[in-house]
Amino acid sequence: EAQVTQNPRYLITVTGKKLTVTCSQNMNHEYMSWYRQDPGLGLRQIYYSMNVEVTDKGDVPEGYKVSRKEKRNFPLILESPSPNQTSLYFCASSPRAEGYGAFFGQGTRLTVV
Amino acid sequence: AQSVTQLGSHVSVSEGALVLLRCNYSSSVPPYLFWYVQYPNQGLQLLLKYTSAATLVKGINGFEAEFKKSETSFHLTKPSAHMSDAAEYFCAVSAANAGNNRKLIWGLGTSLAVNP
Repeated sequence: EAQVTQNPRYLITVTGKKLTVTCSQNMNHEYMSWYRQDPGLGLRQIYYSMNVEVTDKGDVPEGYKVSRKEKRNFPLILESPSPNQTSLYFCASSPRAEGYGAFFGQGTRLTVV
Repeated sequence: AQSVTQLGSHVSVSEGALVLLRCNYSSSVPPYLFWYVQYPNQGLQLLLKYTSAATLVKGINGFEAEFKKSETSFHLTKPSAHMSDAAEYFCAVSAANAGNNRKLIWGLGTSLAVNP
């Protein structure tokens, strides 16, 4: 089954404790991205990757890092999480750029206390 | 530059009634247009997309949308609402000629409630 898999689905952590949210896709897609979703602000892109070893900032990259060492995986790293990073996070992938239509993971609800 | 406006952050309909969710876009180049649905505690799922072929696009679950260039609109409709249609709906636009750099520009979403 074609899918984008994120882990964990739910995470509560404390300020400053490094964490990684994993994302994996099994569709051999070149393009992957991370979004955060906040009430009243909609979906905002954090980072994207157009292929292995090619990543770039989205609209709200501050406080986040990503890596793309393999085509299928695109982890999101919060080196020192803060409460304003409490949000619902989505990973997405698409065959080429996302403007052709993207496939989304189930989401990770992160709470930073 | 491109933008998307979804009119109405909350829409409530009765079961069996027409569903109409409005989306207007702004784009200086030919657009691709999308509707996504997000069910509670789930990710976004593509409902339908317009990519410059037929202006009336049919999607999953009985939804359809019509691209109207003169009105810069891409409204989502379903003739008869079902309780299972209750969800958040997002309209998005991308530039058709932006090559591999194209990205999705999102509306803020419309929450659809279906009353028995």
